Amino acid sequence: DTGVSQDPRHKITKRGQNVTFRCDPISEHNRLYWYRQTLGQGPEFLTYFQNEAQLEKSRLLSDRFSAERPKGSFSTLEIQRTEQGDSAMYLCASSLEGGGASTDTQYFGPGTRLTVL
Amino acid sequence: AQTVTQSQPEMSVQEAETVTLSCTYDTSESDYYLFWYKQPPSRQMILVIRQEAYKQQNATENRFSVNFQKAAKSFSLKISDSQLGDAAMYFCAYYGYNQGGKLIFGQGTELSVKP
Repeated sequence: DTGVSQDPRHKITKRGQNVTFRCDPISEHNRLYWYRQTLGQGPEFLTYFQNEAQLEKSRLLSDRFSAERPKGSFSTLEIQRTEQGDSAMYLCASSLEGGGASTDTQYFGPGTRLTVL
Repeated sequence: AQTVTQSQPEMSVQEAETVTLSCTYDTSESDYYLFWYKQPPSRQMILVIRQEAYKQQNATENRFSVNFQKAAKSFSLKISDSQLGDAAMYFCAYYGYNQGGKLIFGQGTELSVKP
């Protein structure tokens, strides 16, 4: 079990540019979550997928944000026209819904730290 | 709406001593999960311990244990025999079946361990 991986680990961009992050969940996990964490705060939910279906989006996810999980495996989170307020750590997590003692426990990746200049 | 509150922004403990981190939550649901996650500086968030609300027995994982008081909506984490590697930000989190799958996190407690 290789754990949740995220790429890139760090991204520096200029205001107005588009960025895309990737998350690879634990292989047998059917749920994938995106969170945003600013310095000194707990993570805030953005969106989640069950298999390839996006089941919920937070109001934090403005129309500049889009997430996909095209084949129910990896996911991408794209931010268009980045703003300085988008600077944060973007965390991905995965879980297995519907079986076993570890059901509904979310396991986190290392995160992608975004800095918008 | 469900909320999670950690009232201790910072805590300190002497190595080998015991420390308790506090967490309270607000919910109208009867079935849910509670978690403690640990986030070392610049490192990955990892699961420390999990508690199912329907279980009366408090969860334990080696040196980590919880005091789950469902009626009081309290979920504290006790770390025994503290080690230098326990220094981290600790987050309490709530998961409810009616929450659309998301975890709701507290603000975190930064734990330092003194040698």
